[in-house]
Amino acid sequence: ETGVTQTPRHLVMGMTNKKSLKCEQHLGHNAMYWYKQSAKKPLELMFVYNFKEQTENNSVPSRFSPECPNSSHLFLHLHTLQPEDSALYLCASSQALAGGTDTQYFGPGTRLTVL
Amino acid sequence: GQNIDQPTEMTATEGAIVQINCTYQTSGFNGLFWYQQHAGEAPTFLSYNVLDGLEEKGRFSSFLSRSKGYSYLLLKELQMKDSASYLCAAMDSNYQLIWGAGTKLIIKP
Repeated sequence: ETGVTQTPRHLVMGMTNKKSLKCEQHLGHNAMYWYKQSAKKPLELMFVYNFKEQTENNSVPSRFSPECPNSSHLFLHLHTLQPEDSALYLCASSQALAGGTDTQYFGPGTRLTVL
Repeated sequence: GQNIDQPTEMTATEGAIVQINCTYQTSGFNGLFWYQQHAGEAPTFLSYNVLDGLEEKGRFSSFLSRSKGYSYLLLKELQMKDSASYLCAAMDSNYQLIWGAGTKLIIKP
């Protein structure tokens, strides 16, 4: 199933580069999420958007900048990253955050390596 | 603080049964999710429990005890394709998911 797609799947960048990750969901959902997944660590929630409005920013460094132009698309803009930012970045979507227990559906992730 | 504990790795034999345990401590509770994640792929939803008891879904079952802060995922008739990481996540009072680090399940022939 390709309900949530992410591009690129792999990205190698230097610390001075600027790049963007893209996520698109085809499920008609209204909430979208960015997570960071590092080896042997729990998923770390980074940002949440509900009906295009940012509702959560979990103390993420400003070198990560999200953008949500509509309910189907989510971007993560990256600049001046550090090697410790190397990880798998996962996008997810759910029906809506309205006090409900929505199931989140994930994309395949972007494997980011910062040199 | 909020915390999820699950074993780091488990090994089982093809055709057998395995139980993956998860304990949670959260501020409020709005249910417990299990996801499966094959290497290099997206986590995929397996189950959701909010009431005590066992939910069966084919070869996979999930159990919840709210009073004990405990859940398990039971996999029967194991197949090689079940080799994956299994992620436990509890939803807190703010409807945010608190994730465990995942249990890597290795299936041997």
